[in-house]
Amino acid sequence: QVQLVESGGGLVKPGGSLRLSCAASGFTFSDYYMSWIRQAPGKGLEWVSYISSSGSTIYYADSVKGRFTISRDNAKNSLYLQMNSLRAEDTAVYYCARDRGIAAAGFDYWGQGTLVTVSS
Amino acid sequence: DIQMTQSPSSLSASVGDRVTITCQASQDISNYLNWYQQKPGKAPKLLIYDASNLETGVPSRFSGSGSGTDFTFTISSLQPEDIATYYCQQYDNLPPFFGPGTKVDIK
Repeated sequence: QVQLVESGGGLVKPGGSLRLSCAASGFTFSDYYMSWIRQAPGKGLEWVSYISSSGSTIYYADSVKGRFTISRDNAKNSLYLQMNSLRAEDTAVYYCARDRGIAAAGFDYWGQGTLVTVSS
Repeated sequence: DIQMTQSPSSLSASVGDRVTITCQASQDISNYLNWYQQKPGKAPKLLIYDASNLETGVPSRFSGSGSGTDFTFTISSLQPEDIATYYCQQYDNLPPFFGPGTKVDIK
């Protein structure tokens, strides 16, 4: 069965960095676009970034552009999100999600999420 | 950017009631709309894709309709396990904005 397991969340000071990972299993990872989506405490869903199946196409939300970097290692069935220059408003649960099509056409499997807290 | 609105923001209904949620896009998105269910403390779950297609394994009491700018999500007979927040999401243009959500609970 499809499984997505995020890791790497935690408490970080403003201006700091964190790298999230998402381990995928149960499907051919290299066939699918993948996205990161976040949810601030008590708030709605905000799409953050997607990466194409090969890694050649990447897109970011304006709120993270220039600070976050999405990447993937298809040999390791893993998705990553490098987060730099973190701000308080980046505090959220971060989910990795599999795209049912291309370019954020819909997210049919989600991980359990990893909490990132940015606070001094 | 295409903005999404949902109404109502919350609702209370009785078990067995028909529940309807609307989602409106700021411009024509054809049928490029999905619906998700998120239960407290859990990840969202895709219920409806392309405005009206039921995801595999999702009960048939859930349905979606609409195209262009106006969309509807319906639970034909509300069950206790349907207590959740429901989100629409457009994918006609990037970024793929989600609606603000509709919280559904039992009266």
